[in-house]
Amino acid sequence: QKEVEQNSGPLSVPEGAIASLNCTYSDRGSQSFFWYRQYSGKSPELIMFIYSNGDKEDGRFTAQLNKASQYVSLLIRDSQPSDSATYLCAVTANAGGTSYGKLTFGQGTILTVHP
Amino acid sequence: DGGITQSPKYLFRKEGQNVTLSCEQNLNHDAMYWYRQDPGQGLRLIYYSQIVNDFQKGDIAEGYSVSREKKESFPLTVTSAQKNPTAFYLCASSDQHHAYEQYFGPGTRLTVT
Repeated sequence: QKEVEQNSGPLSVPEGAIASLNCTYSDRGSQSFFWYRQYSGKSPELIMFIYSNGDKEDGRFTAQLNKASQYVSLLIRDSQPSDSATYLCAVTANAGGTSYGKLTFGQGTILTVHP
Repeated sequence: DGGITQSPKYLFRKEGQNVTLSCEQNLNHDAMYWYRQDPGQGLRLIYYSQIVNDFQKGDIAEGYSVSREKKESFPLTVTSAQKNPTAFYLCASSDQHHAYEQYFGPGTRLTVT
């Protein structure tokens, strides 16, 4: 089983719809969760992070975390063509010691928003 | 203008040659990281450094080496021992209080033939 697994894509949604991106992780000790957006040929850009169970909203983006189910998701409301990119989920290794700062990434989900 | 720079953007080498990728940051971040990305894959950690003169192996360190002589710089050498060096290499940094909030440079695309 992969340590961090994202829903297989590509995901295609019409402009204005809600895009839902999902991620599961295997390490129960993980404390922090991140979503990065990566445009084709570019480097990843941090767009959201969440540390506590529940929802965290930032503009059109909402991150949802359920540690009991080891599940984190990203919702993009009112999707725009400019949201078309690969979305990477990243999870921390167990806190402390030499793992500090170490992230494990999922394989990414390609999102296409069509007009 | 603060940020992370990587050079060059594209790099071509012949098999058997060592090559060094540059990464510089002026964000005053303590920690720096090197990742590798293959097509359709997520990022895999090669090496990371939390402070100057100290670094740790990541998940795929074999065939790579690093140094951290200055806070601003974290060069990565891809040696001839790395079996599949062609990839997109990404450098990142973070500050000590938010070690997991990592910010990436533009990347170097290395092609070895």
